[in-house]
Amino acid sequence: GQQVMQIPQYQHVQEGEDFTTYCNSSTTLSNIQWYKQRPGGHPVFLIQLVKSGEVKKQKRLTFQFGEAKKNSSLHITATQTTDVGTYFCAGKGTTGFQKLVFGTGTRLLVSP
Amino acid sequence: EAQVTQNPRYLITVTGKKLTVTCSQNMNHEYMSWYRQDPGLGLRQIYYSMNVEVTDKGDVPEGYKVSRKEKRNFPLILESPSPNQTSLYFCASSTRGTGGRQFFGPGTRLTVL
Repeated sequence: GQQVMQIPQYQHVQEGEDFTTYCNSSTTLSNIQWYKQRPGGHPVFLIQLVKSGEVKKQKRLTFQFGEAKKNSSLHITATQTTDVGTYFCAGKGTTGFQKLVFGTGTRLLVSP
Repeated sequence: EAQVTQNPRYLITVTGKKLTVTCSQNMNHEYMSWYRQDPGLGLRQIYYSMNVEVTDKGDVPEGYKVSRKEKRNFPLILESPSPNQTSLYFCASSTRGTGGRQFFGPGTRLTVL
């Protein structure tokens, strides 16, 4: 079945440093979504990418969808302490009704 | 306010004692689902429902039941809980199935002794 791997599992950065998390699927995706979960909270939707090679920005966050639609990345420029949390990607397959498969998440810790 | 609610938020129970975790959404969403979150394993889908009276298994359905008698409610039932069902549970809903944004509830932390 479809699998979505996410790396790294954990990253600790100093405030102001950049951060990137990568998401790789075993199968081609029709779309990929990104979510953020603050400590003690629930996943909150950030963005959805649909097109091959798509790049979207939200302030300091840049999201990319690979050309082959099997991988994606989230890059945060100049991290802030408010970026702390776990970032999940979630991919949907291309044939029929496909479940949304979540990656294992990347936990980000930002030290001031 | 558009939201997904879950109850209870925290529950400690004993092996074999039937329990129900309720989930309700006020956004008129057709698609609802249940996930469990465990360290290192991310979010794994337990069951999902495309609409009223339509439910199907996710990736980890063993030991769980669901029902969808009303559009807004999607309760998760553990008929005979076991310690390996100790986890953090999230209910989610969406207007476009798996093709759209998922709205998550606040979570239910379940401990089975």
